[in-house]
Amino acid sequence: QLHLQESGPGLVKPSETLSLTCSVSGGSIRNTEYYWGWVRQPPGKGLEWIGSISYSGDPDYNPSLQTRVSISLDTSANQFSLKLDSVTAADTAVYYCVTPGPGGYDIGTFDDWGQGVLVTVSS
Amino acid sequence: DIQMTQSPSSLSASVGDSVTITCRASQSISLYLNWYQQKPGQAPKLLVYSASTLQSGVPSRFSGSRSGTDFILTINNLQPEDSATYYCQHTYRAPWTFGLGTKVEIK
Repeated sequence: QLHLQESGPGLVKPSETLSLTCSVSGGSIRNTEYYWGWVRQPPGKGLEWIGSISYSGDPDYNPSLQTRVSISLDTSANQFSLKLDSVTAADTAVYYCVTPGPGGYDIGTFDDWGQGVLVTVSS
Repeated sequence: DIQMTQSPSSLSASVGDSVTITCRASQSISLYLNWYQQKPGQAPKLLVYSASTLQSGVPSRFSGSRSGTDFILTINNLQPEDSATYYCQHTYRAPWTFGLGTKVEIK
């Protein structure tokens, strides 16, 4: 079973860049079976897929965020990261790192989730 | 993007009841439909994938099915621990989108 843990600042100022890291244990992010992604949830609202990245580093982003988002792998640290530029209050949310894991699911099915981290955008 | 319309937005039922939650996609998604359960303060948990396959460890009182263009999550013999918000999600093609959720309350 994979274990995912998000880390990063809980408060970001408007117009700045949100940066989060997801540390992976129980498996290697270089495993060819795995994809790695981010989902967010504004307080009291529903879920939004932000983007995913393959083991080889090929990203796929939600078009609604594509101009501002970047996901990357750090294979040496067994981590992957999210950067979201030019944030506004609308980006305030709990951010989860996710993966389909080793169960053979399609790449959009998320069986393993981090606990989530609340990021508030405010001056 | 494929839109997922989920209904009802909330429901209240008693222990032992059966409840159904429906999700409709804005276009055909074959069987690329998942259901998640989310309890307050927790990350979502995968319950059902590929429309009707129960995730390992999920109680058999949960089931997923398809009827035409509608996807249905049924909870039989509702238990107190089933109090949660349930989300559908399609994985037909990116962007993967979720329904707005159904909050299930136990009377």
